[in-house]
Amino acid sequence: AQSVTQPDIHITVSEGASLELRCNYSYGATPYLFWYVQSPGQGLQLLLKYFSGDTLVQGIKGFEAEFKRSQSSFNLRKPSVHWSDAAEYFCAVGAKQAGTALIFGKGTTLSVSS
Amino acid sequence: EPEVTQTPSHQVTQMGQEVILRCVPISNHLYFYWYRQILGQKVEFLVSFYNNEISEKSEIFDDQFSVERPDGSNFTLKIRSTKLEDSAMYFCASRVEGEQYFGPGTRLTVT
Repeated sequence: AQSVTQPDIHITVSEGASLELRCNYSYGATPYLFWYVQSPGQGLQLLLKYFSGDTLVQGIKGFEAEFKRSQSSFNLRKPSVHWSDAAEYFCAVGAKQAGTALIFGKGTTLSVSS
Repeated sequence: EPEVTQTPSHQVTQMGQEVILRCVPISNHLYFYWYRQILGQKVEFLVSFYNNEISEKSEIFDDQFSVERPDGSNFTLKIRSTKLEDSAMYFCASRVEGEQYFGPGTRLTVT
């Protein structure tokens, strides 16, 4: 079955501390991988994506993610968290075929403490 | 920067009523999608659309749902007879080069 697992429902990080959000996927085809961020009442903003090539990808707002095929993982990292990073983060997987759906994880809520 | 737009931002309707949610995808995109997010839950795929046809649909997308591209710019989702459990945020997306761009969503409240 195709699925995305985000094992951490809620994470609290101190401002300035580093962050890692975990994502594991199960997908039958070559995966396209994404991280989206959602602030309360807002839409989904793409942070970064991985299609192929370099397994470490850089995104907006200082985020990066590393694709590890052997572990079926695509973890999101940030070296120093800012209070404005508090939001919900969704990992998603899709295929190269254009009509196919994105499959989302259940999300991780990030709180930032001062 | 081009963006996907959706109207209305919030729709309140009574159970059994028909609703139409509207989306304007990014102009040079060819693939369009609807997703929904029930409060506190994950984003779920409903349907994808290309060349005036449904490409793929989920189990959620039953006979109560339909999609249409009535003109060159709009993409609509119709729910024929709304149920309480249809209350959710509905997101439209359009795709180019592997990336789906999401609109801000329409919050549908069924009372």
